[in-house]
Amino acid sequence: EAGVAQSPRYKIIEKRQSVAFWCNPISGHATLYWYQQILGQGPKLLIQFQNNGVVDDSQLPKDRFSAERLKGVDSTLKIQPAKLEDSAVYLCASSLGQGGTGELFFGEGSRLTVL
Amino acid sequence: AQKITQTQPGMFVQEKEAVTLDCTYDTSDPSYGLFWYKQPSSGEMIFLIYQGSYDQQNATEGRYSLNFQKARKSANLVISASQLGDSAMYFCAMREAFNFGNEKLTFGTGTRLTIIP
Repeated sequence: EAGVAQSPRYKIIEKRQSVAFWCNPISGHATLYWYQQILGQGPKLLIQFQNNGVVDDSQLPKDRFSAERLKGVDSTLKIQPAKLEDSAVYLCASSLGQGGTGELFFGEGSRLTVL
Repeated sequence: AQKITQTQPGMFVQEKEAVTLDCTYDTSDPSYGLFWYKQPSSGEMIFLIYQGSYDQQNATEGRYSLNFQKARKSANLVISASQLGDSAMYFCAMREAFNFGNEKLTFGTGTRLTIIP
């Protein structure tokens, strides 16, 4: 079974530029998450989708961050314009969304450096 | 108040010894779940073990066990017979409500474990 796919793995941009990250969850997983992990900290939830609807985006800086999940499958996270403090690893995760333990399966992350 | 507290920023352990990583949590929800994830230097989050708040027995998965003390709100991870490959960051996480489509996890700050040969 294929895992959660993310791209790009690494991205370096200047501040005020824009960047987009892509995530393809595990097939059949209804729930998709984007987490931000700043160096030395635990992951922080940015946004959670259930199919193609937003469940929780309370910690998403909406003035510069946006995310969408088209057709309830792939998702894109965009940052525009980027700030220095956005340097972090952006982790995408997915889960079945019902039953079981609610385990999240994570991708390898996209590491963003803002100069 | 922090929902998940991991008080050990870093630990050094001799190979083959057992190690306990501490985790305390704070919730008023009677139904919750506790997870431990391992994050090697490659960056991927690897699920290790899960404990439900209503589970009567402590969870075990191979060399991993979870010392769940509900009254103390602690969920420590025990790794037996540590190996060099266990060197990584370890995160404790909590899911507070088991509702359809609401399996959001809140993570602690992590513990960096280094196994010494």
